[in-house]
Amino acid sequence: DVKVTQSSRYLVKRTGEKVFLECVQDMDHENMFWYRQDPGLGLRLIYFSYDVKMKEKGDIPEGYSVSREKKERFSLILESASTNQTSMYLCASSPSRRSYNEQFFGPGTRLTVL
Amino acid sequence: KNQVEQSPQSLIILEGKNCTLQCNYTVSPFSNLRWYKQDTGRGPVSLTIMTFSENTKSNGRYTATLDADTKQSSLHITASQLSDSASYICVVSASYGNKLVFGAGTILRVKS
Repeated sequence: DVKVTQSSRYLVKRTGEKVFLECVQDMDHENMFWYRQDPGLGLRLIYFSYDVKMKEKGDIPEGYSVSREKKERFSLILESASTNQTSMYLCASSPSRRSYNEQFFGPGTRLTVL
Repeated sequence: KNQVEQSPQSLIILEGKNCTLQCNYTVSPFSNLRWYKQDTGRGPVSLTIMTFSENTKSNGRYTATLDADTKQSSLHITASQLSDSASYICVVSASYGNKLVFGAGTILRVKS
């Protein structure tokens, strides 16, 4: 079974703090994704990566950055957290560049910014 | 604009009853459509996937249908169980740019 793990299930931070969300997958997948999920909205893509040290902006990259130094690990960084970044953050991975649609999701991190 | 709309937004049914969730999409060109189940506090898990040539796909008590002409899909749940309580998300993949378009989901609650 594919396993995608996220470093925290729940996180509470203060406005202006730097926040790191970590994601690890154990199936040697090429692609990794970060989404945020808000009530009444579909999942929205923040950033994705199809290779080590590669990154591509998704639909809502503003206020976020990412890092992929190793194939199995994809980090989402909030340089200066703001209250409108309070959300559920989901990490996903997929096997190859040609199969973006076969995505396997982690359990999510619920981030609250006070 | 590529969009996926799901209805109803939420639904409450009694255990043992059947229900049908709807998904309408405008994604073009179409590649495939997937239904995910997301339990509270968990990540989404894939239930079914259908390509253009498939019009029905089953996974246990879950049956998905696809009408590519009208751009509609449905997810039918038979003999519902309390464990079916979850959010059900319709996701459509375009055949270019590796783009996924997510619906907002239908929240299903099964009561005893």
